[in-house]
Amino acid sequence: DIQMTQSPSSLSASVGDRVTITCQASQDISNYLNWYQQKPGKAPKLLIYDASNLETGVPSRFSGSGSGTDFTFTISSLQPEDIATYYCQQYDNLPGLYTFGQGTKLEIK
Amino acid sequence: EVQLVQSGAEVKKPGESLKISCKGSGYSFTSYWIGWVRQMPGKGLEWMGIIYPGDSDTRYSPSFQGQVTISADKSISTAYLQWSSLKASDTAMYYCARRAINSPSFDYWGQGTLVTVSS
Repeated sequence: DIQMTQSPSSLSASVGDRVTITCQASQDISNYLNWYQQKPGKAPKLLIYDASNLETGVPSRFSGSGSGTDFTFTISSLQPEDIATYYCQQYDNLPGLYTFGQGTKLEIK
Repeated sequence: EVQLVQSGAEVKKPGESLKISCKGSGYSFTSYWIGWVRQMPGKGLEWMGIIYPGDSDTRYSPSFQGQVTISADKSISTAYLQWSSLKASDTAMYYCARRAINSPSFDYWGQGTLVTVSS
């Protein structure tokens, strides 16, 4: 099984800050890496798919990069409405299985 | 408009059976995989399994294989998640989600079904 390591588990930042979250896979997953935002009491929302593609309707301050084993999610200028937990999710195409990272809880400083 | 509408909250006793549902609309239900995701109280997301309603091809996470059954009835555009004997540790929010057609990501999500198992 491919293991995903997401870090940090929590993060406190100020409005306007640049925020970065990373996910590392235990083996090469090509660009099969997606990022989600989950606000309290709500279903997750897809933000970035295939490592770097912005989902339709998602603000451009969100971005993703990486391939292979190392991936990065960035909020270029943190807004108050970005307070949420963020998850990466990988896909292992050989057995056709999916795995979520442990999550990063983002708070306003 | 794409929608996934899940069945309502359930309160069950240990040992009871349960089947929850996820009804898709606004798209071709048989052409997209539907996945199920568990979120235990205060915890992260766990992928449970996925089904292709077109031919009922189903895959399970090793962690959930044998613990739950995923099925679909394409005639009514509905996917299901069921348990034959619930445990207290099955208490969680369960989400269904549609896998995007050209990417292994989940682009639409249901609102979630809260399952509480308590004696």
